[in-house]
Amino acid sequence: GAVVSQHPSWVICKSGTSVKIECRSLDFQATTMFWYRQFPKQSLMLMATSNEGSKATYEQGVEKDKFLINHASLTLSTLTVTSAHPEDSSFYICSARDRASGRAVFADTQYFGPGTRLTVL
Amino acid sequence: GQQVMQIPQYQHVQEGEDFTTYCNSSTTLSNIQWYKQRPGGHPVFLIQLVKSGEVKKQKRLTFQFGEAKKNSSLHITATQTTDVGTYFCAGYAGGTSYGKLTFGQGTILTVHP
Repeated sequence: GAVVSQHPSWVICKSGTSVKIECRSLDFQATTMFWYRQFPKQSLMLMATSNEGSKATYEQGVEKDKFLINHASLTLSTLTVTSAHPEDSSFYICSARDRASGRAVFADTQYFGPGTRLTVL
Repeated sequence: GQQVMQIPQYQHVQEGEDFTTYCNSSTTLSNIQWYKQRPGGHPVFLIQLVKSGEVKKQKRLTFQFGEAKKNSSLHITATQTTDVGTYFCAGYAGGTSYGKLTFGQGTILTVHP
């Protein structure tokens, strides 16, 4: 089945530093990737939609200058948390949409990466 | 915007008992998907329902999609300790939303042996 990897799996950083998280689709092409944030015992909150070759679409309330997203290829999207603060500590999860050719958009399945746990001290 | 409500938030059962979680959308959905997240893990895709009134089964799990395509349920028969985790429904509204899913709050299932 389709596999999505994320790197790193966990990171601890000092307040004010920037952290880059990579999301890769390993065995399929993903024209669209999604970035979510999940706080403990809460649901997944969509942060932004990343489309290959174009600017990301951010959800309301998500600062685009703080959470930089780059979808440089059909298999890689990166999320950079700039000037991280303790309140940015969370579990960040990406998903990639397997756009099987000839099928309707609604039939697509999203495959989730294993997540990155960010702790900002 | 679209909202997806899921109840209950928590469910504690004895092993062998049945479990059901319900999902309701504020708008009609093109499809609904169900995911399971084990403690410390990431969401894993379980199933997708597309048709009005659709019912699908996976061993002890039964998934239903309402006639109006605004609600769904997941029922587990005779729970086992391996069923522990959080179950999320996620709705897709369709249109030009590039496959954007709206997740319910999730139901945390605890199974006591």
